[in-house]
Amino acid sequence: GDSVTQMEGPVTLSEEAFLTINCTYTATGYPSLFWYVQYPGEGLQLLLKATKADDKGSNKGFEATYRKETTSFHLEKGSVQVSDSAVYFCALSDSTGFQKLVFGTGTRLLVSP
Amino acid sequence: GAVVSQHPSRVICKSGTSVKIECRSLDFQATTMFWYRQFPKKSLMLMATSNEGSKATYEQGVEKDKFLINHASLTLSTLTVTSAHPEDSSFYICSASGQNQPQHFGDGTRLSIL
Repeated sequence: GDSVTQMEGPVTLSEEAFLTINCTYTATGYPSLFWYVQYPGEGLQLLLKATKADDKGSNKGFEATYRKETTSFHLEKGSVQVSDSAVYFCALSDSTGFQKLVFGTGTRLLVSP
Repeated sequence: GAVVSQHPSRVICKSGTSVKIECRSLDFQATTMFWYRQFPKKSLMLMATSNEGSKATYEQGVEKDKFLINHASLTLSTLTVTSAHPEDSSFYICSASGQNQPQHFGDGTRLSIL
């Protein structure tokens, strides 16, 4: 079945450092890809998405490019802030039409001042 | 943006009681709602998918008699944890999607069974 693999955390960075969180996927068909962010004690918020190969999703300084050849959707940000500390989930949606999401295990990001 | 409201945000109750969690889509028609369970420091586990007016489709290993899901309208789905026990303690999250709407998540419900 479909699956998503994320790098294990926590990822610990200093403020203004460059961030990369790796995500690769296995899927049949042509899934859409997503990054969600979860702040402590809260639900998930959609951070960005890409629906087809070579699409780049971007939001709040974060970006990720849908790479079909490497089946990857790595999350990047040029300069992280303390407020970016959260858990980041990579996900894909299958092609059933009901948008069922398959999540990676999540990567905790800790940014220190 | 689209908003999904989940209530209550936190509930503590005694073992053996039943607990109902509500999930409402506030500004769009949610033809499909999803219920997830999240264990500490783990990813989200999909429990069931419900389409408005239909019976929910449960994922393998999820007891449908234990976790009752109702999706009677396009704006409301409920999850009832029946005869809850300490092992049911968890963080439960709902999400809703509709036509031209990706999944939007509620803020979750922390359930603690004593």
